[in-house]
Amino acid sequence: GAVVSQHPSRVICKSGTSVKIECRSLDFQATTMFWYRQFPKQSLMLMATSNEGSKATYEQGVEKDKFLINHASLTLSTLTVTSAHPEDSSFYICSAPSAGTGSGFNEKLFFGSGTQLSVL
Amino acid sequence: QKEVEQDPGPLSVPEGAIVSLNCTYSNSAFQYFMWYRQYSRKGPELLMYTYSSGNKEDGRFTAQVDKSSKYISLFIRDSQPSDSATYLCAMKRDTGTASKLTFGTGTRLQVTL
Repeated sequence: GAVVSQHPSRVICKSGTSVKIECRSLDFQATTMFWYRQFPKQSLMLMATSNEGSKATYEQGVEKDKFLINHASLTLSTLTVTSAHPEDSSFYICSAPSAGTGSGFNEKLFFGSGTQLSVL
Repeated sequence: QKEVEQDPGPLSVPEGAIVSLNCTYSNSAFQYFMWYRQYSRKGPELLMYTYSSGNKEDGRFTAQVDKSSKYISLFIRDSQPSDSATYLCAMKRDTGTASKLTFGTGTRLQVTL
């Protein structure tokens, strides 16, 4: 299956610093990538949709200036958590759709391995 | 009311048991249904996807969809300790790259020896 690589897997930072997370589609091109956040024992919550060559689309309640998304190429999207605070500590996961097979379902979502962010 | 409801568990079963995992949903616009497996601190892995009512089988896994009842299930036969993970149901309204997935909270499964 398609591979999505996410880096780093774990980050510990001080409050007020910025953290960049990278998401790469390794063997396919992705014009769209999705960024999720997951708190312990909770579901994945979509934060934003990253679009190659254009602005990201943010979900309601997600601060655009706080979570900067850049989708500069067909294989790379980055999420930067600016001026991180302890409440931003969470598990961040990216995903990208890859063309699949089967009538009525023309893509599958492949996920990165996630980034655990801990803000002290 | 959440769009997708899923019992968080944990669900503990002995090795070899048949496992039944379920989700209900409220939005009849959902047409495509998926099950993901997520190991601790890893990204979800797609297990099954289906778009029609009925059953779909893949090895030890069977996905079942009942659109009239807005109810989906995942059955795991001959469960193994390696099946211990969190299972997330997910659904979407339509195909298309930009179509968003709505996830359940996930059910944590523990298969014991």
